[in-house]
Amino acid sequence: EAQVTQNPRYLITVTGKKLTVTCSQNMNHEYMSWYRQDPGLGLRQIYYSMNVEVTDKGDVPEGYKVSRKEKRNFPLILESPSPNQTSLYFCASSRAASYGYTFGSGTRLTVV
Amino acid sequence: QKEVEQDPGPLSVPEGAIVSLNCTYSNSAFQYFMWYRQYSRKGPELLMYTYSSGNKEDGRFTAQVDKSSKYISLFIRDSQPSDSATYLCAMNYGGATNKLIFGTGTLLAVQP
Repeated sequence: EAQVTQNPRYLITVTGKKLTVTCSQNMNHEYMSWYRQDPGLGLRQIYYSMNVEVTDKGDVPEGYKVSRKEKRNFPLILESPSPNQTSLYFCASSRAASYGYTFGSGTRLTVV
Repeated sequence: QKEVEQDPGPLSVPEGAIVSLNCTYSNSAFQYFMWYRQYSRKGPELLMYTYSSGNKEDGRFTAQVDKSSKYISLFIRDSQPSDSATYLCAMNYGGATNKLIFGTGTLLAVQP
């Protein structure tokens, strides 16, 4: 089944404790992206990647890092999480520019 | 002013009704227009994808784009309780970044 897989689905952590949210897609898509979804603000892009080793900032990149060492994987790293990063996070992939994204099921992160 | 405006609802309709969901946008550079459906605790799912002005139909769903008015719509005919979800409009400038700009979503409830 074609899909984007994120782990974990739920995560509660403390301020300052480094964490990684994994993302993997099995569709051989070129593009991958991370979004966060907040009430009243909708989905906002954090980072995106056009191919292996090619990444760039989205609208809200502060406090996040990404890497794209393999085509299928695009982990999201929070080096020092803060409470304002409490949100619902989605990883997504797309076969080419201007095509729609396929989204994962989401990771609900709470930073206390 | 947000680039994409969407009425958050909630919108409640009886089963079998025709539903009209709308978004307006401010940037005439948008070229690709999409509608996503998001069920509770799930990731967004691509429903409709259009490029040009005009109508596109897929089963009970019709997407309409009016670039001159900067207005897009999604119509759902013979609405079903299973259509109850949040509907997100999204737009893309085209080009290499494949960045989607989302509306905040409209919550739809179809009452049996």
